[in-house]
Amino acid sequence: EAGVTQFPSHSVIEKGQTVTLRCDPISGHDNLYWYRRVMGKEIKFLLHFVKESKQDESGMPNNRFLAERTGGTYSTLKVQPAELEDSGVYFCASSQSLGNTIYFGEGSWLTVV
Amino acid sequence: GENVEQHPSTLSVQEGDSAVIKCTYSDSASNYFPWYKQELGKRPQLIIDIRSNVGEKKDQRIAVTLNKTAKHFSLHITETQPEDSAVYFCAAFTSGTYKYIFGTGTRLKVLA
Repeated sequence: EAGVTQFPSHSVIEKGQTVTLRCDPISGHDNLYWYRRVMGKEIKFLLHFVKESKQDESGMPNNRFLAERTGGTYSTLKVQPAELEDSGVYFCASSQSLGNTIYFGEGSWLTVV
Repeated sequence: GENVEQHPSTLSVQEGDSAVIKCTYSDSASNYFPWYKQELGKRPQLIIDIRSNVGEKKDQRIAVTLNKTAKHFSLHITETQPEDSAVYFCAAFTSGTYKYIFGTGTRLKVLA
């Protein structure tokens, strides 16, 4: 069974540019989460999809971040325009049902210069 | 808001010694506590978890204890080996909010 896959694995962009991160959850997992980790800090919650609906987006930093999950399969997280403080590792995770194990992708390393 | 405090941030132990990482959560409604291990450049992977109706769980060299009254849970690794070196994250899940809150991570280094 394929795990959670994320693309790109690394991205370096200039301040003001746009980046779109993609996550393919494990097949059949309705719950999809986006997290971000800045060096030395916690893995911080961004948002949670249940199928195509946003269950909780309370962790999204501001309106420069837009997440979608059309059709309830893969998800994208767009940052536009990117700022220096957006640098970090963006993790996607999925779970089959609430309260069960969440499985992480390998993360997308974003560096904004 | 909800938060999880994790200590220590770094931990160095000699091979064969034990390592203990402690977490404290704030939401008394949290009911599921997983621990993840992240090796360099790899994804965080679940190594052990515990639910709120259990006080202790063990899997070979790793164990987790939970004190609901104090809102503490801890990871214990015995007979540490170099391959145990990684960053370990604790997390607390609350059914009401469907949210996993993670700690800041502990970088464990096992010295050969």
